[in-house]
Amino acid sequence: AQKITQTQPGMFVQEKEAVTLDCTYDTSDPSYGLFWYKQPSSGEMIFLIYQGSYDQQNATEGRYSLNFQKARKSANLVISASQLGDSAMYFCAMRGFNKFYFGSGTKLNVKP
Amino acid sequence: GAGVSQSPSNKVTEKGKDVELRCDPISGHTALYWYRQSLGQGLEFLIYFQGNSAPDKSGLPSDRFSAERTGGSVSTLTIQRTQQEDSAVYLCASSLGLAGPTDTQYFGPGTRLTVL
Repeated sequence: AQKITQTQPGMFVQEKEAVTLDCTYDTSDPSYGLFWYKQPSSGEMIFLIYQGSYDQQNATEGRYSLNFQKARKSANLVISASQLGDSAMYFCAMRGFNKFYFGSGTKLNVKP
Repeated sequence: GAGVSQSPSNKVTEKGKDVELRCDPISGHTALYWYRQSLGQGLEFLIYFQGNSAPDKSGLPSDRFSAERTGGSVSTLTIQRTQQEDSAVYLCASSLGLAGPTDTQYFGPGTRLTVL
């Protein structure tokens, strides 16, 4: 079965500190993709970062990086130097067998 | 604009009425998805269109829900005889429709449906 799990319903982080949002997955597709999306209170889903299962390097996009540990089937999102505008819901997603699967989300609150 | 657009942004209707929600994908994207998101919840997959293939309707919660995609572009999600439990945000996404893992979905702003 294809599955995405986010075990942290809510997280707090101090402004300017780094935070890691957890994501684990399960798939039998040998070629899969992992994605993170941000959903601010406005409701729109914003694509942040992508990691392919065969990528040797961890993906990075500005302050976002994806800590990909293939053997552990984890794809954690690391946000460096948190900003107040990072407060939002974050969803991990996986594409396997040409279908998308979403986790239940983590609500991140950045404290000033 | 170049992004996915949805209309209306908000829809309030009475129980038992039919509603139509529209999605206009990014130009050139052959894949289109509909999701439902209840307040504070994750995304619930509804239906997926890929090119001219038969749509994947496996997520539609009942036969009151249907969707079509005309000319491989604009899609309409129709909910007949709306119920209060249909109240949610309906999100549309599109992607290039590539086979394999790299196909990234881009989302529209959503339609907030309220059934009174």
